[in-house]
Amino acid sequence: NAGVTQTPKFRVLKTGQSMTLLCAQDMNHEYMYWYRQDPGMGLRLIHYSVGEGTTAKGEVPDGYNVSRLKKQNFLLGLESAAPSQTSVYFCASSYSMALDQPQHFGDGTRLSIL
Amino acid sequence: AQKITQTQPGMFVQEKEAVTLDCTYDTSDPSYGLFWYKQPSSGEMIFLIYQGSYDQQNATEGRYSLNFQKARKSANLVISASQLGDSAMYFCAMRDEDMRFGAGTRLTVKP
Repeated sequence: NAGVTQTPKFRVLKTGQSMTLLCAQDMNHEYMYWYRQDPGMGLRLIHYSVGEGTTAKGEVPDGYNVSRLKKQNFLLGLESAAPSQTSVYFCASSYSMALDQPQHFGDGTRLSIL
Repeated sequence: AQKITQTQPGMFVQEKEAVTLDCTYDTSDPSYGLFWYKQPSSGEMIFLIYQGSYDQQNATEGRYSLNFQKARKSANLVISASQLGDSAMYFCAMRDEDMRFGAGTRLTVKP
């Protein structure tokens, strides 16, 4: 009963380094999302995907790229990490974007950029 | 523009008492959904309760209920009979054309 799994759980990067965060869901959900959580700001949507092979920008997309090559996986990439990207990153998925569909979240990835 | 407002950064409640966490929202869309999530210190986001804009009755899930006042655009979460395990961050969220989250309220339950 895994649900949404994020890897890694923690990571420390130096400014300018690149990395990819992996999100995998086993609920056969069409929709997947990447959020960042910062103190006092709640969750903000970075990018989302409405299905395999499709992605779209959210509220704060700059500095990030995403890919959805397989339905169950949604990757978040940082090409050149900056200290402003220090945050906790959450992946979520949902069956649809209907108003009553909750999003199911992973446990988060804590990322620090030095 | 801020769509979701949680005005209480922190709240304290005595064990076994009820507590209300405030949430107001802003939308011009007549169709929307309201959600509450719990985030314990371990970090995961746990879905608690949902209320639709057309629902006539307040949603309830066990000890959680949602006090929905549509004209005031408020969707307060009520937790009855608080338990120590209820200590966590609580986030209100609204979905209309997209999903937006409030800044959260940290609830501490005192023994």
